[in-house]
Amino acid sequence: GENVEQHPSTLSVQEGDSAVIKCTYSDSASNYFPWYKQELGKRPQLIIDIRSNVGEKKDQRIAVTLNKTAKHFSLHITETQPEDSAVYFCAASPSANDYKLSFGAGTTVTVRA
Amino acid sequence: ETGVTQTPRHLVMGMTNKKSLKCEQHLGHNAMYWYKQSAKKPLELMFVYSLEERVENNSVPSRFSPECPNSSHLFLHLHTLQPEDSALYLCASSQELAVGGGELFFGEGSRLTVL
Repeated sequence: GENVEQHPSTLSVQEGDSAVIKCTYSDSASNYFPWYKQELGKRPQLIIDIRSNVGEKKDQRIAVTLNKTAKHFSLHITETQPEDSAVYFCAASPSANDYKLSFGAGTTVTVRA
Repeated sequence: ETGVTQTPRHLVMGMTNKKSLKCEQHLGHNAMYWYKQSAKKPLELMFVYSLEERVENNSVPSRFSPECPNSSHLFLHLHTLQPEDSALYLCASSQELAVGGGELFFGEGSRLTVL
């Protein structure tokens, strides 16, 4: 089955700096890559996703890049703010015919004021 | 209430107890999921229902028993659990079974502690 590795497991950044989280996946047929944000004690929520026919996607201060050849994708957060402090999970969907998401273990991001 | 609601939010039970977790979604979705979230580990998919039919039972021990009486409600019945079953149990829903990818809408979870 699909195996998703996520790094780093924790990330501390100064407010205003950028944060980058990287995930690698094992199944070359994977075609859908979402990112979920879970604030402390809250539900995970989708913040951005990308499909395999696109190399990059942006939404205000967040962006996701995908390298299909290397089988990795990354989340970039620019101009970090305290409300960006949360656990971020990447995931991969194994194929266009499957509904199962394989999640990474999460990255705890702390934005220092 | 809107979104996905889970009750109870916290549950402490002994290994011989029987309890149930409840999930209700108010989004008109047709697929519902149970995930287990343990610290520093990936979310583990446990069960999936589509239009009230179970489509996934991901090698979950029989001490966990799901029930989906209609497309808005999902239960997880618990009996003779082990301490290693202590975790956050997340319910999620999606418009349809998310084949090829689609947004999952999560509840806030039920924090289970097994003594």
